[in-house]
Amino acid sequence: SQQGEEDPQALSIQEGENATMNCSYKTSINNLQWYRQNSGRGLVHLILIRSNEREKHSGRLRVTLDTSKKSSSLLITASRAADTASYFCALSNAGGTSYGKLTFGQGTILTVHP
Amino acid sequence: NAGVTQTPKFQVLKTGQSMTLQCAQDMNHEYMSWYRQDPGMGLRLIHYSVGAGITDQGEVPNGYNVSRSTTEDFPLRLLSAAPSQTSVYFCASSYRVESRNSPLHFGNGTRLTVT
Repeated sequence: SQQGEEDPQALSIQEGENATMNCSYKTSINNLQWYRQNSGRGLVHLILIRSNEREKHSGRLRVTLDTSKKSSSLLITASRAADTASYFCALSNAGGTSYGKLTFGQGTILTVHP
Repeated sequence: NAGVTQTPKFQVLKTGQSMTLQCAQDMNHEYMSWYRQDPGMGLRLIHYSVGAGITDQGEVPNGYNVSRSTTEDFPLRLLSAAPSQTSVYFCASSYRVESRNSPLHFGNGTRLTVT
């Protein structure tokens, strides 16, 4: 099964700035999800975007999906120090045998400086 | 609501020892899974289950066994620990196996070191 490739691997910004992370993939997906992981903790689901959707918002988060380019981006606006974490994209691959299974990218480490 | 509970949080094993990592969820989720997280490798799926009595292999199943006797519990067994199994292990569950759009709920992980 495919794995998402995330870019950049690390991102360092100042509080108040926007942060953009990207995820690219190779084959068809059913949906794409974004997760956050704080140091030493489990992953927390942020947002899910279906293959027939192009954009979704949740609070300060904005996710876009371009299935023609096989890519997604996560934008965090007006970042805060508390947003410091690793962010992962996860793919639900199209196909009848992939119920529930997600494949994860390697993540983007975001550091927000106060 | 406890969510997904993993025990222990930390474990050190010697090569060749066996142990069981415990995972329990109280959300009545059909789907449960185990991932391992290694630096630079992201999360890789070890085994998963779509319901009690049903398990299947993920991407990296060798050296691990699972069983699903109840909806709530999904233990991961290391049969004979090897240093390559040093990792952080995460259990995750989700609702609605029929729907491909359910997010995963993660436990806080078990950090395993094999010496």
